Amino acid sequence: EVQLVESGGGLVQPGGSLRLSCVASGFIFSDFHMDWVRQAPGKGLEWVGRSRNKGRSYNTEYAASVRGRFSISRDESKNTLYLQMSSLKAEDTAVYYCVRDNGGDYWGQGTLVTVSS
Amino acid sequence: DIQMTQSPSSLSASVGDRVTITCRASQDIRTSLVWFQQRPGKAPKSLIYGASTLRSGVPSRFSGSGSGTDFTLTVSSLQPEDFAIYYCQHYNAYPLTFGGGTKVEMK
Repeated sequence: EVQLVESGGGLVQPGGSLRLSCVASGFIFSDFHMDWVRQAPGKGLEWVGRSRNKGRSYNTEYAASVRGRFSISRDESKNTLYLQMSSLKAEDTAVYYCVRDNGGDYWGQGTLVTVSS
Repeated sequence: DIQMTQSPSSLSASVGDRVTITCRASQDIRTSLVWFQQRPGKAPKSLIYGASTLRSGVPSRFSGSGSGTDFTLTVSSLQPEDFAIYYCQHYNAYPLTFGGGTKVEMK
């Protein structure tokens, strides 16, 4: 059974940093592109970025709103996807989802990040 | 960036109604489109990919069509569990972008 389990969310002050994790199971992690998608409270969905699969050297892409502040990486040995977030702003407050790229067929439960003083 | 425009932003319907949601891309995305359903407090669920391919396990009352810039999601006979928010997303180029969502409410 495919599972994606995010963790690492919480309350952080503006300008601070946070690292989210997503542990994947039930599939060959290295075979799939993986995305981070976020949803601000009461708002729509926003694609944050992607880690391509191993065949594409785990290369990354980012939305303009987070480029230069957020970084996506993987630990293949732990089947874990990471989202390192820095210089956080109030507008980064959202539920962050880890998503398998196969037409977005599997999503994690999400982890809430709140940026506030 | 490719902009995805959904319409309507909300609609009211009754159980058994036929419902159609449209999604328009600002440029040609071929059939690189996914439809998602999101129920309150839950993660989105993929319904259709490739604009018209129904994902395994999704009821056949859902269907998708379109290519290029204009796409539709149709629910042939709305069921109680279908009251939710629906999003389209393209995957033709980076950045991937979502439509603004369509909330399907009970009349």
